[in-house]
Amino acid sequence: AQTVTQSQPEMSVQEAETVTLSCTYDTSESDYYLFWYKQPPSRQMILVIRQEAYKQQNATENRFSVNFQKAAKSFSLKISDSQLGDAAMYFCAYRSLGPGTYKYIFGTGTRLKVLA
Amino acid sequence: GAVVSQHPSWVICKSGTSVKIECRSLDFQATTMFWYRQFPKQSLMLMATSNEGSKATYEQGVEKDKFLINHASLTLSTLTVTSAHPEDSSFYICSAPRGQGETQYFGPGTRLLVL
Repeated sequence: AQTVTQSQPEMSVQEAETVTLSCTYDTSESDYYLFWYKQPPSRQMILVIRQEAYKQQNATENRFSVNFQKAAKSFSLKISDSQLGDAAMYFCAYRSLGPGTYKYIFGTGTRLKVLA
Repeated sequence: GAVVSQHPSWVICKSGTSVKIECRSLDFQATTMFWYRQFPKQSLMLMATSNEGSKATYEQGVEKDKFLINHASLTLSTLTVTSAHPEDSSFYICSAPRGQGETQYFGPGTRLLVL
């Protein structure tokens, strides 16, 4: 069975600085999807970034980028130029690739605080 | 982006009553939807997979008779908490995969408080 681990319960970053959130996972599958979701105080889950395991290139979305290390089973999220609105819970999630296997496996989350 | 709505956004009910929560995909069809439960400061716990036109698939430890799921159309799934008790108080979130299903889109959640 797949597992997702986020070892940092809480992180802090100064506004405008860069922070990296860690995520590791365990799987025997070769193809899968990885996601980072953000959950602000409103508790609405918002997709931040997605990575397909078969793609070697790291995904980027504006200030958000990932460092995907397939062999190490690591999927960290880097937030550049941190803004106050980035303060939220961040969840890493894994999804198998096969048809009909839409279930996500979530990590326990990292609470990010942004300091003014 | 895809939009998933939930109704109501919050509900307070008396112990012993039943509560229905609706999840709708507003701009796409979803043959599958997911129901999660989230306790404060914790991750999302998958409760069940809702399948349009067939029975829901429940995760281990989730009571089927307690949490009734109906996926009557391609845009609507409902979760009914039957005979609710204070321990059922929680935040309930639904989601739906779009297109090839790579990405799930989440509803805004429903806060349930059982007195």
